[in-house]
Amino acid sequence: GENVEQHPSTLSVQEGDSAVIKCTYSDSASNYFPWYKQELGKRPQLIIDIRSNVGEKKDQRIAVTLNKTAKHFSLHITETQPEDSAVYFCAADTGFQKLVFGTGTRLLVSP
Amino acid sequence: DGGITQSPKYLFRKEGQNVTLSCEQNLNHDAMYWYRQDPGQGLRLIYYSQIVNDFQKGDIAEGYSVSREKKESFPLTVTSAQKNPTAFYLCASSPGLANEQFFGPGTRLTVL
Repeated sequence: GENVEQHPSTLSVQEGDSAVIKCTYSDSASNYFPWYKQELGKRPQLIIDIRSNVGEKKDQRIAVTLNKTAKHFSLHITETQPEDSAVYFCAADTGFQKLVFGTGTRLLVSP
Repeated sequence: DGGITQSPKYLFRKEGQNVTLSCEQNLNHDAMYWYRQDPGQGLRLIYYSQIVNDFQKGDIAEGYSVSREKKESFPLTVTSAQKNPTAFYLCASSPGLANEQFFGPGTRLTVL
């Protein structure tokens, strides 16, 4: 079955710096890759997603890139702000209406 | 956010008791899911349902049971057979294959 690995587990940056979180997946049939942000004690919320027919997608300060050949995808956050501090999860679909999630990255943005 | 709700927000249970967590959605989604999240951990799939009256086990189904009698509702029962049930439980729904999952606010279950 699908396996998703996510790195790093924690990431500390200064406000204004960029942050990059990387994920790899195992199932070449996966074609949908969402990223979720979860603040402490809250529900995960979708921040951006990408499908396999696209290599890159941007939404203001957030971008996701996908390399299907290498089976990895990355989240890029530019000009980080303290409110970006949260846990970020990547995921990949399995083709059976299921998502497999990475283990999460705790991002801390210091003022 | 109001499209999928969970209750209660906090739940306390004595050892040996079964408890049922509620999940309701008004998004007209076919698929619904239950996840367990332990402190500092990711999301682990307990059960999922793609259509009414049908559901499948996820990765950690032992000690849990579900039903899907209505499209809008997917309750999760944590049985006494679940050895370590203290966790944060998240319900989600999705319109279908390869689509966003929308999460409920979660239920924090504590076994006393």
